[in-house]
Amino acid sequence: DTGVSQDPRHKITKRGQNVTFRCDPISEHNRLYWYRQTLGQGPEFLTYFQNEAQLEKSRLLSDRFSAERPKGSFSTLEIQRTEQGDSAMYLCASSLETGLGYSNQPQHFGDGTRLSIL
Amino acid sequence: KQEVTQIPAALSVPEGENLVLNCSFTDSAIYNLQWFRQDPGKGLTSLLLIQSSQREQTSGRLNASLDKSSGRSTLYIAASQPGDSATYLCAPLGFNKFYFGSGTKLNVKP
Repeated sequence: DTGVSQDPRHKITKRGQNVTFRCDPISEHNRLYWYRQTLGQGPEFLTYFQNEAQLEKSRLLSDRFSAERPKGSFSTLEIQRTEQGDSAMYLCASSLETGLGYSNQPQHFGDGTRLSIL
Repeated sequence: KQEVTQIPAALSVPEGENLVLNCSFTDSAIYNLQWFRQDPGKGLTSLLLIQSSQREQTSGRLNASLDKSSGRSTLYIAASQPGDSATYLCAPLGFNKFYFGSGTKLNVKP
């Protein structure tokens, strides 16, 4: 169990640029989540995958955001035309679930990617 | 939308004290409630998971209780240590609903 890995740890970019983050979950985990966290707040849900299927997306996930998990293993989160308000920590979590739509197992989090928009 | 409130927002105690962190939520249609800790600049670490049918769960010096009908959970930390200093977050999880509180920032002074 090597834990959830996120890359890069930090990303600084200019407003209007596109950025992509990667998450490698714990290898046997079928569920993968993306969250966004701003200073002093708890994580806000963005989307989750069960294997390669994206089952739920938050209204926070505007059309500038897209997430993929093509082979049911690693996932990428892309933000197009970044804005100042996108500055946040982007967290990935994974778990091994037997059902759909609910989380019945502990979620294991990576250390996040901190995005700063200049 | 699920509203999750954690009180107090911050807490500072001397080492050795027992303490209680509170979590309240507005939608009782949950499958379980998870407690996490978060160290500065890090991700969340799962501490305890209480199924909706359970009343409490224990792990070492930690005990979490759940009263689903009233929308409340508490996390009890016994004999606090400086290493317990962190932010503690609760997450009442429902069907396709993954909401977190803003956390209680705990400082345990040596």
